[in-house]
This record gives sequence, structure tokens and C-alpha cells, in this order.
Amino acid sequence: KQEVTQIPAALSVPEGENLVLNCSFTDSAIYNLQWFRQDPGKGLTSLLLIQSSQREQTSGRLNASLDKSSGRSTLYIAASQPGDSATYLCAVDNQGGKLIFGQGTELSVKP
Amino acid sequence: NAGVTQTPKFQVLKTGQSMTLQCAQDMNHNSMYWYRQDPGMGLRLIYYSASEGTTDKGEVPNGYNVSRLNKREFSLRLESAAPSQTSVYFCASNRINSYGYTFGSGTRLTVV
Repeated sequence: KQEVTQIPAALSVPEGENLVLNCSFTDSAIYNLQWFRQDPGKGLTSLLLIQSSQREQTSGRLNASLDKSSGRSTLYIAASQPGDSATYLCAVDNQGGKLIFGQGTELSVKP
Repeated sequence: NAGVTQTPKFQVLKTGQSMTLQCAQDMNHNSMYWYRQDPGMGLRLIYYSASEGTTDKGEVPNGYNVSRLNKREFSLRLESAAPSQTSVYFCASNRINSYGYTFGSGTRLTVV
């Protein structure tokens, strides 16, 4: 059974820092891995999707990497801003669209 | 605005009552999903519909039923609500293989 773990559960950084969020999964037979952002009381917004054949994806200040063999993904946020404060969720798809989520990392960026 | 619309946004039920959560998408997506989100548990899949006319169980289907009414609409029904079903429920849809995954804003359900 696929299990997804995110560490740390919470992270607080000063504005301007570069930071890395971690995601690990137990079954490397995945179709893709996706990072989402969730603001308090809101739904999820897709940030980046990495196909199983890819190593990384970039969007603006965000860069996500994927190492299937070790069962790991990282989300790198450059030059963090207070507006980046949210919960970041990692999810893997290893069966046609049905996502298995980690528990999330709650990020707080202090001005 | 294009997206996934869920109703209601908030609901309080008494144990044993029934209700239906509604979900509609206007992006012409084939697949639709219902997830629940609980503190410390992340999001877990309840039911999904890969295409119009089909539905299948996810990880936590007990106590729920679904109906894919047409390509746009996918409803979730609680026949006899229990306190363990207190949660935030999210509907989602996507094109294929996770591409274009779009979530609704959620329904916060409390069962007392």
C-alpha cells in the first residue's frame, strides 16, 4: 500500500529565505507526483506536476524534484514571501488519477 | 468562473440524519472524485468516477454512496450520518492521469 510522508509538519522562516519541503513515498511505481497549496479554509491549488519520467519541474520561484528510485520529492521555494504562507501537500498518483496525499507541511513566512 | 462548485459550504447534522453533498464542474472533465480531509490524516479518497456512468470505491467508502448524474455532476450521499463522518469534504475533477486536477472549496460537515 502506498504511503506518503511529509517532513516537517510545520516550518517557520523569515521572509527572503530559500526553503525546502520534503515528501517521501513507499512505492516507486507512480504515474506522477503533484504538489498542491492549501490556504486556510480553502480548497487545494495545483502548483507543479512531475511525470514519472521527469526529474524536475519549475514554475516561477518554485522548483519540484523527483527521485523515484529513492522515493523522494522536494519542493524548493526561493526568496520566500509572507504570501507563501500556506499548507503544502504532496500527492502521488499510482493508479490513474486517484491521489494519495501526505499530511502536509504548514509553512509560515514571517515579515 | 470555470471550476468545481460544491454546495453547501457548511452543514450541521444530527446523528442518523441523511444528506447529499452536491458537486458540479464546468471544465468538461471526464473524472470526478470525493475526498475527505481530517486533522492529522491528510486527504483520503472516498469514491471516484472515471467517466460518466461509472463509479468506484476509494480508500474510505463505508457510510457513503455516490451518483454520477451526468458528465458535470457528482453527488455524495450520507444515508445515516455518524459523528465519525465529521470532516471537510472536497470534490475534485481532472482531465486524465491527474492533469488539470481542480478542487472545489469544500464542505465543512459536523455531525452531532
